[in-house]
Amino acid sequence: QVQLQQWGEGQLRPSETLSLTCAVYGGFFTGYQWSWVRQTPDKGMEWIGEISHEGNTNYNPFLKSRLTMSVDPSKNQFSLQLTSVTAADTAVYYCARGHMGDFWSQGTRVTVSS
Amino acid sequence: QSVLTQPPSASGTPGQRVTISCSGRSSNIGSHTVNWYQQLPGTAPKLLIYSTYQRPSGVPDRFSGSKSGTSASLAITGLQSEDEALYFCATRDDSLTGPVFGTGTKVTV
Repeated sequence: QVQLQQWGEGQLRPSETLSLTCAVYGGFFTGYQWSWVRQTPDKGMEWIGEISHEGNTNYNPFLKSRLTMSVDPSKNQFSLQLTSVTAADTAVYYCARGHMGDFWSQGTRVTVSS
Repeated sequence: QSVLTQPPSASGTPGQRVTISCSGRSSNIGSHTVNWYQQLPGTAPKLLIYSTYQRPSGVPDRFSGSKSGTSASLAITGLQSEDEALYFCATRDDSLTGPVFGTGTKVTV
């Protein structure tokens, strides 16, 4: 069974950088897109972006200027960095396998507050 | 920012049938297959239906998906207490680079 486990800082101040990493256990890492999605009570689910095992990226245009994704196939891991966070970035962040996600992580609650 | 519209809530008694709608446009549901997810409180979303009609291994056949035009539906038959969860739809959109998601429907049993 495929499992995704993520970690990263859950409490940030405005202007700081959000960094999350997701590790994939079970199944193949190559041949898939690996995605990040966030969820808020107000806006629901929002696609952040995706990266292939080769490092090809596809970002949400609204976040693209602040977003960097990277991948480490040797560790079956991929990462997200979102710079200059504001309160609007407060959400539960998930990593998932595939363009729309067939397997998801448990999520990390990220709060941006001064 | 949800592009797909779902009713905020739905309810039923044990054994009943509940249907959840997901309304979109020609550029998304009208042109692409739909996934449905179940999210129990405090847990990760779980893929319930993919490619509009297909169930992943382990998902009971009480759950079924359908689509007509620019709307999709998820039906739950023989409703059970453990079906109490948030359900949301997702699909691709021709005008966007990534998937779009539904607003989510909270099902109460």
